[in-house]
Amino acid sequence: AQKITQTQPGMFVQEKEAVTLDCTYDTSDQSYGLFWYKQPSSGEMIFLIYQGSYDEQNATEGRYSLNFQKARKSANLVISASQLGDSAMYFCAMRATSGTYKYIFGTGTRLKVLA
Amino acid sequence: SQTIHQWPATLVQPVGSPLSLECTVEGTSNPNLYWYRQAAGRGLQLLFYSVGIGQISSEVPQNLSASRPQDRQFILSSKKLLLSDSGFYLCAFDPYTAGELFFGEGSRLTVL
Repeated sequence: AQKITQTQPGMFVQEKEAVTLDCTYDTSDQSYGLFWYKQPSSGEMIFLIYQGSYDEQNATEGRYSLNFQKARKSANLVISASQLGDSAMYFCAMRATSGTYKYIFGTGTRLKVLA
Repeated sequence: SQTIHQWPATLVQPVGSPLSLECTVEGTSNPNLYWYRQAAGRGLQLLFYSVGIGQISSEVPQNLSASRPQDRQFILSSKKLLLSDSGFYLCAFDPYTAGELFFGEGSRLTVL
């Protein structure tokens, strides 16, 4: 069975510093996708970044990068130069790219950026 | 462009009352559709997903049900709500199979 684990319920970071949010996953599938979403207090889910299991390069999107270590089954999100607007809940998610249509989410990490 | 809308945004219902949350998708055909529930301060729990009209897969046994009467319409229902049904419900679609999920605005349900 697929599983996503986010072990950091809450994190603090100083404005303009970088922060890493941890995500480990478990799957027996060879082909899968990994996603990160941001959920502000409004509740909307904002897609941030995607990493395919066969992608050799770590994904980057602006200030977001995904530190993908396949052998360790980890897909950590790195946010550089944190801004106050980055304060939100962050979810890691996974989906197999064949067979199952299910997206499985972790329990989330609440990030607070300090001025 | 592809969009998704769900309603109502907020709902306060007494225990034992029925529930209907609706979600519609625009700008794509034959999307995979999903209902998730998020308890206060918690992660997203997959409730139902659908790969086509009339095709519903249930992930968690409960007193909720889902239906897909049209290609781009997904409905979450209950005949009798429980206190434990309170939460934030999110509808989502996946237009590209294995691409990212696009989420609706969410429906906040409080059962009293």
